[in-house]
Amino acid sequence: AQSVTQPDARVTVSEGASLQLRCKYSSSVTPYLFWYVQYPRQGLQLLLKYYSGDPVVQGVNGFEAEFSKSNSSFHLRKASVHWSDSAVYFCAVSIGQVVGQLTFGSGTRLQVYA
Amino acid sequence: NSKVIQTPRYLVKGQGQKAKMRCIPEKGHPVVFWYQQNKNNEFKFLINFQNQEVLQQIDMTEKRFSAECPSNSPCSLEIQSSEAGDSALYLCASSPGHSSAETLYFGSGTRLTVL
Repeated sequence: AQSVTQPDARVTVSEGASLQLRCKYSSSVTPYLFWYVQYPRQGLQLLLKYYSGDPVVQGVNGFEAEFSKSNSSFHLRKASVHWSDSAVYFCAVSIGQVVGQLTFGSGTRLQVYA
Repeated sequence: NSKVIQTPRYLVKGQGQKAKMRCIPEKGHPVVFWYQQNKNNEFKFLINFQNQEVLQQIDMTEKRFSAECPSNSPCSLEIQSSEAGDSALYLCASSPGHSSAETLYFGSGTRLTVL
């Protein structure tokens, strides 16, 4: 069975700073990898996804993520955060034989202060 | 922005009461998912449908949970006899297909509180 670990429950950064949110996965096969964001009182929105190709994938709102097979990681990055990026970020994986069923990490709450 | 519509936004029930929530998937999306998100941000997959047919579901041996996606009507998730442990955010999502590469489009959820 697959699993996802987000080791940082909370991250606090100042506006304009760079950001990295960590995600490590465990799976017997290379999974599909996703980052979702959840703003207060809202559902989840997709930031980006990856399965193959260039290990650096671009997403919405200036986010990107880098896949590392050797490290079983899929870290999310942003060069310069804005206060509106404050939210909870979830890394998730999906494997081929399970029809669209996602396994989520426990989330990282990002607080951006001015 | 997602066009998955979930109602009601908030639902408060006493223990033992029925709790029913609805979901209108994004137009053209034949696959619908229900997830439960608890206060610790742990997600539990409950069930998914393709059109009106169940694709997969967790072992609902408690039989307290039931779900359906009738044609031309909203999908629904119902808890027959609510328990305190059912208090959570229930998320409905839809997708254009059922492959593992598909993006899930989530609604804003129904927050159930069982007193």
